[in-house]
Amino acid sequence: DTGVSQNPRHKITKRGQNVTFRCDPISEHNRLYWYRQTLGQGPEFLTYFQNEAQLEKSRLLSDRFSAERPKGSFSTLEIQRTEQGDSAMYLCASSLVHSTSAYQETQYFGPGTRLLVL
Amino acid sequence: AQSVTQLDSQVPVFEEAPVELRCNYSSSVSVYLFWYVQYPNQGLQLLLKYLSGSTLVKGINGFEAEFNKSQTSFHLRKPSVHISDTAEYFCAVSPYSSASKIIFGSGTRLSIRP
Repeated sequence: DTGVSQNPRHKITKRGQNVTFRCDPISEHNRLYWYRQTLGQGPEFLTYFQNEAQLEKSRLLSDRFSAERPKGSFSTLEIQRTEQGDSAMYLCASSLVHSTSAYQETQYFGPGTRLLVL
Repeated sequence: AQSVTQLDSQVPVFEEAPVELRCNYSSSVSVYLFWYVQYPNQGLQLLLKYLSGSTLVKGINGFEAEFNKSQTSFHLRKPSVHISDTAEYFCAVSPYSSASKIIFGSGTRLSIRP
């Protein structure tokens, strides 16, 4: 299967601990996105990368959150000093954007990492 | 700013019956429109999208949606549902000016009864 993969699938942590999630996009996809989905809600955009460059960050992404995509392939999302309100599903998506494309690209989503902060 | 409203949080339907999942959006600029499906324990999958042209869009698994600009709606329909259509369905928009940023609705859970 060559879809988007995310690890771990589940994470339980205690309040105040740091956690890191990993996303491996579809090979050759140049854009990578992070979303957060809380219970009963749709995904909310957090940030996205084009290759290594982080192009946009949502106001939802507090200074305790940091995302990286050092080599333009996989990405990590780290949450420092976790709080109970951080409990959610963290989704990753990737897409291939051609510079000449005039249309919206299709984002392919991974299965998500479910975080529970106790 | 853009917003998406899915008024029905849950829709129960009998197998082989038709279904319509409602979606309304608000935006001061032109937007692209999408429907995504999320099966249990799986990631979101694109069902269909409206970019331009014909207002009736056909997607995978027999679903279709119609863009109505005057009513700012993008309702999803299927003439005959199957048990395997049980899932959460999300309507979404993204503005032309920031096409990578997708704004999702809160979702509609479709449950199919035999």
